[in-house]
Amino acid sequence: EAGVAQSPRYKIIEKRQSVAFWCNPISGHATLYWYQQILGQGPKLLIQFQNNGVVDDSQLPKDRFSAERLKGVDSTLKIQPAKLEDSAVYLCASSHGGTFWSSGANVLTFGAGSRLTVL
Amino acid sequence: QKEVEQNSGPLSVPEGAIASLNCTYSDRGSQSFFWYRQYSGKSPELIMFIYSNGDKEDGRFTAQLNKASQYVSLLIRDSQPSDSATYLCAVISGGYQKVTFGTGTKLQVIP
Repeated sequence: EAGVAQSPRYKIIEKRQSVAFWCNPISGHATLYWYQQILGQGPKLLIQFQNNGVVDDSQLPKDRFSAERLKGVDSTLKIQPAKLEDSAVYLCASSHGGTFWSSGANVLTFGAGSRLTVL
Repeated sequence: QKEVEQNSGPLSVPEGAIASLNCTYSDRGSQSFFWYRQYSGKSPELIMFIYSNGDKEDGRFTAQLNKASQYVSLLIRDSQPSDSATYLCAVISGGYQKVTFGTGTKLQVIP
């Protein structure tokens, strides 16, 4: 099966500018995650979608970050305006979801990531 | 208290030795647990998952889960230089299966 697609791979912007990242999950995966990974840290969950609905956005800085998942398939994460501390890799991941633990339905498959540098 | 805690390392082991990586979590209701490996500049990739108490083996890797003590560990036998990477522990909790990652442990296997 095709993997999780992300674009762009790299983006350099000035502070206060805007940027958008795109993610296309594995076909059939109901759950989509956006993580922010700052150098030397573990991935931090920004937002989680179940189909096209948001189920967790508690750590999303809503004054500058927004995300949507159109028709329950691909997703866009936007930052406006960007700050220096937003420099990070933005990882998109997807899974089937559900509570059938033994099946591995909750295993996350990650895209290659989008590396953002804010100057 | 962090939701998922790992020693950041680096953990250095000689080639051929056993590497032991540990992770503790705060939500007693957590349901499933993952170990991911992340090479520098790459995305995390799954090593294995475990959801019931005890040991689970896959090749050179063994995951151990103790829900009463709220810890999960990963043993890597016959460590190879190619195992040098950051190992991320991840925990599923909540009704919508939120996946929370630890900060990762950097493993260095010395030839």
